[in-house]
Amino acid sequence: EAGVAQSPRYKIIEKRQSVAFWCNPISGHATLYWYQQILGQGPKLLIQFQNNGVVDDSQLPKDRFSAERLKGVDSTLKIQPAKLEDSAVYLCASSPRTETQETQYFGPGTRLLVL
Amino acid sequence: AQSVTQPDIHITVSEGASLELRCNYSYGATPYLFWYVQSPGQGLQLLLKYFSGDTLVQGIKGFEAEFKRSQSSFNLRKPSVHWSDAAEYFCAVESSYKLIFGSGTRLLVRP
Repeated sequence: EAGVAQSPRYKIIEKRQSVAFWCNPISGHATLYWYQQILGQGPKLLIQFQNNGVVDDSQLPKDRFSAERLKGVDSTLKIQPAKLEDSAVYLCASSPRTETQETQYFGPGTRLLVL
Repeated sequence: AQSVTQPDIHITVSEGASLELRCNYSYGATPYLFWYVQSPGQGLQLLLKYFSGDTLVQGIKGFEAEFKRSQSSFNLRKPSVHWSDAAEYFCAVESSYKLIFGSGTRLLVRP
């Protein structure tokens, strides 16, 4: 079974530029998550999708971050404009459904450096 | 608010020695608890999870964790560490279908 795929793996941009990350979850998984992991910290949830609907985006900085999952499969996360403090690893995860006790499966992440 | 504390930022053990990584949580109801491992350049991999029942949970790669409600703890253990166990370990609690992670403990293994 293929795992969660993410691209690109690394990205370097200058502040005020825009950037987009892509995630393809495990086939059949209805729930998709985007996490931000700042160096030295644990991952923090940015947004959670159930199929193509948003379940939780309470911690997404909506003035600069946006995410979509148009067909309920793959997803993109965009930052525009980027700030220095957005330097982090962006992790995508998926699970079969939105229920308690579901295991989340993580992709390898996209490491973003904002200069 | 729900939170997870991992008090040790770094731990160094010798190969073959036993390991215990500490995790304390703050959660109002019965917690659903997880341990994940992150190797360099890799995503997080689930080691084990606790939902209910037996408070000693067995996981992959020879890891186990014990849930102690009285101490609000969910410590991860392994009787004999291998060099390949060097990685960062994250404890997490589930809250409203999302995971709240601790800040992680980096494990270094001495040959």
